[in-house]
Formats: sequence, C-alpha cells, structure tokens
Amino acid sequence: QVQLVQSGAEVKRPGASVKVSCKASGFTFTSYFMHWMRQAPGQGPEWMGIINAGDGSTSYAQKFRGRLSMTRDTSTDTLFMELRSLRSEDTAVYYCARGQENDYFDFWGQGTRVTVSS
Amino acid sequence: QSVLTQPPSVSGAPGQRVTISCTGGGSNIGAGYDVHWYQQLPGTAPKLLIYDNNNRPSGVPDRFSGSKSGTSASLAITGLRAEDEADYYCQSHDRILGSSVFGGGTKLTVL
Repeated sequence: QVQLVQSGAEVKRPGASVKVSCKASGFTFTSYFMHWMRQAPGQGPEWMGIINAGDGSTSYAQKFRGRLSMTRDTSTDTLFMELRSLRSEDTAVYYCARGQENDYFDFWGQGTRVTVSS
Repeated sequence: QSVLTQPPSVSGAPGQRVTISCTGGGSNIGAGYDVHWYQQLPGTAPKLLIYDNNNRPSGVPDRFSGSKSGTSASLAITGLRAEDEADYYCQSHDRILGSSVFGGGTKLTVL
C-alpha cells in the first residue's frame, strides 16, 4: 500500500533552516510528481512546490522562491524539503503528497510540525 | 485570505444532508479547472474525498458527492454520521498564480 512517512517535529530559531524528509513506499516513486504543502494553525493547506521524482526537476510557488529547495534520493525513494531563513510565520505542519495528473493529491504524509520561535 | 472561499462552518443532525460551497473566480474554477475535495479529521493529514469535481476514490462512501458550475463547486454529504465530523477543503488550480490553491476550510459539526 502507498505510504509516505515523514521525519519528526522540529523547533527552529528565526533565521535558521529546516530540512524535512518524506520516505515513499508502495508505488514506483520515479513515476510520479510529488508535492509539498504546509498548513498553518487554523488555516487551509498552502501549496509550496512540486518535484518530478524521476528527473528531479522542480517548480516552486512564487512566495517561496529563493529560500525553498526540494530534492529527492531515488536510491531510498525519499523526498527532502529545505526551507531557509525561517521566520515565525513559517510555523506550520508540513506535508508531502503524491500528485496525480489533474493536480490533485491522492496520498499524503502524516505531517511534520515545524515551530519557529526565539 | 484564501483564493477559494468556503463557509467557516456547517452543521447537521445525523441522517441529514448538508452541502459545502466553494467559490472561486475566473482564473481558477471559472477558467475550467477541476475541483477536488479533502476531508481532514482532527490531528490527521488531509484525505482525498472527491477528485475531478465528482469522482470518488476507492473506499469513499457514495454518501459523498461533488458538483461544479460556473465559478463554484459544492460538496454534498447525505445520511450524516458522527464520523463525518471534520474539516473539509476544496482545491483547484489558479491560472494567474500558476499553482494549486485551496479553500480556507469548512468545519462540519454533526449535532
């Protein structure tokens, strides 16, 4: 069965970076586009970006360009999301998700809580 | 401020029917992009409920249905059950932003 298992919660200081991992199993990883979303407390999800797990090409939402990096390791079927120059507004639960052709997300990771606080 | 607008809350008694609206604009739903719906139980990740406006993934009961018209979409839930109490989110694509966009979510309370 499809599973996306994310790394554990993180607490960071403003200005620091965070790197979250997402290990995929149960499907052919390199055949899919994978996405990262985040969800701040009390809000809807926010799309951050997409990575082609096959060739590693990426596209990021405008608001994150310059401080967001998405990579993948095809030897372990693992995604990585790094967000730099963290500020308090980046406090949220971060999710990886598998994308389908019509831009919907059929499987999600369990989420990783990132807290940015001084 | 979310690109897609949903009512903050809806409620209904067990067995009743409720609908949740999702209103967009000419650059997203009105531009012809499909609408997808997710259910989020407390403390869990969103789960795909409806895709491509009115299709249910395997395992989703037929009590859940979706529709789309013009710049809006709706999720209908019939035969309300206690376990339907959750947050519901709509999602589509926005041509101007060039990205997926979500609604702000609707909290369903089963009375």
